[in-house]
Amino acid sequence: NAGVMQNPRHLVRRRGQEARLRCSPMKGHSHVYWYRQLPEEGLKFMVYLQKENIIDESGMPKERFSAEFPKEGPSILRIQQVVRGDSAAYFCASSPRADRSYGYTFGSGTRLTVV
Amino acid sequence: DQQVKQNSPSLSVQEGRISILNCDYTNSMFDYFLWYKKYPAEGPTFLISISSIKDKNEDGRFTVFLNKSAKHLSLHIVPSQPGDSAVYFCAASAMGGGATNKLIFGTGTLLAVQP
Repeated sequence: NAGVMQNPRHLVRRRGQEARLRCSPMKGHSHVYWYRQLPEEGLKFMVYLQKENIIDESGMPKERFSAEFPKEGPSILRIQQVVRGDSAAYFCASSPRADRSYGYTFGSGTRLTVV
Repeated sequence: DQQVKQNSPSLSVQEGRISILNCDYTNSMFDYFLWYKKYPAEGPTFLISISSIKDKNEDGRFTVFLNKSAKHLSLHIVPSQPGDSAVYFCAASAMGGGATNKLIFGTGTLLAVQP
């Protein structure tokens, strides 16, 4: 019974490169959330997706960031032309339904370092 | 604008004693609150939640208290154990705004339980 799987665990990118972060939700979960944690800060909501749909992207930076959750395969968070300020831990979470009483399950995160 | 605040960055408690972690919020629209526990290099783990229609929720050693008039909640852990040593995040969500289930997190409190 695998939990939320994120890969890679660590990702190093040079400034200007692209970063692709993957998230496989728990089996049976069709709702995916991405959060970012900058150093010394709490987690910040980025985007909420259901299969093939972006429901809420109010936390996504307007440029360079995009997310998808295709019908088949993992959810992808894509950061184009990375900058040093993108260095952070990116966490994915999943839930079986849009139920606020459900404390959704987080993955272990991807730690992105931009050099 | 930090809508969820955890003003104590750290807390040290003796094993067997009570740990009290505090959280304040500013948004009156928040009506659901959760506590997460996070170990280093792992994702947050859901601990306990409370709806705004209640003022207390208990689960084993963990109890959450909500004071709506003061916009304050607290997590009590009793008795505290060394394995409880972790960062604790308070999070809140608001009804409305569509189908999103996004959480607003505090900055966390590092709890150290001394043997």
